Amino acid sequence: EPEVTQTPSHQVTQMGQEVILRCVPISNHLYFYWYRQILGQKVEFLVSFYNNEISEKSEIFDDQFSVERPDGSNFTLKIRSTKLEDSAMYFCASAGSSYNEQFFGPGTRLTVL
Amino acid sequence: QKEVEQDPGPLSVPEGAIVSLNCTYSNSAFQYFMWYRQYSRKGPELLMYTYSSGNKEDGRFTAQVDKSSKYISLFIRDSQPSDSATYLCAMKGTGTASKLTFGTGTRLQVTL
Repeated sequence: EPEVTQTPSHQVTQMGQEVILRCVPISNHLYFYWYRQILGQKVEFLVSFYNNEISEKSEIFDDQFSVERPDGSNFTLKIRSTKLEDSAMYFCASAGSSYNEQFFGPGTRLTVL
Repeated sequence: QKEVEQDPGPLSVPEGAIVSLNCTYSNSAFQYFMWYRQYSRKGPELLMYTYSSGNKEDGRFTAQVDKSSKYISLFIRDSQPSDSATYLCAMKGTGTASKLTFGTGTRLQVTL
């Protein structure tokens, strides 16, 4: 069964460093998303991406964040200068022609020290 | 008022019990409703997706939507220890790339 994959599973970084979180969405899916979940809190939307551009972004997704689909299979989230409060699980999700069904990856746990 | 409200639990039930999980919402723009299951430190897994008011059944799971009351439910019949997880309700509007808005999740423990 096709699934969304994410790498790395755990990333530890120093405050102020850049990180890139990688995702491989389900093949043939067209809609891509990043969400995050701070420990003990609800899953929060960051950004959606369709047709090679951002469709929607939340207030969390400020100038420090960017997304890219560099090669038609990977979908990346870059945080330019990490802050302590960026520590969270980051989930990638994708949706196909049934765009209302979003399938999530296993997540990347980001720890900012 | 929060857009989506969900009792965080924990909810503890004996094996074989019927479980009822619920969410309320305030935003009338929400038209699509999902239930996800999330095991500890894992990604949300899509269980059920519904659109119209009424019931939708899939095996031991039944999703119920009442748009007039802005209330959705997930019922689990014959609950098993493997059902122990956090159950997240999520909802979205009609846009094709619309974001999901999640509830806080209800932690369920099914005991032997």
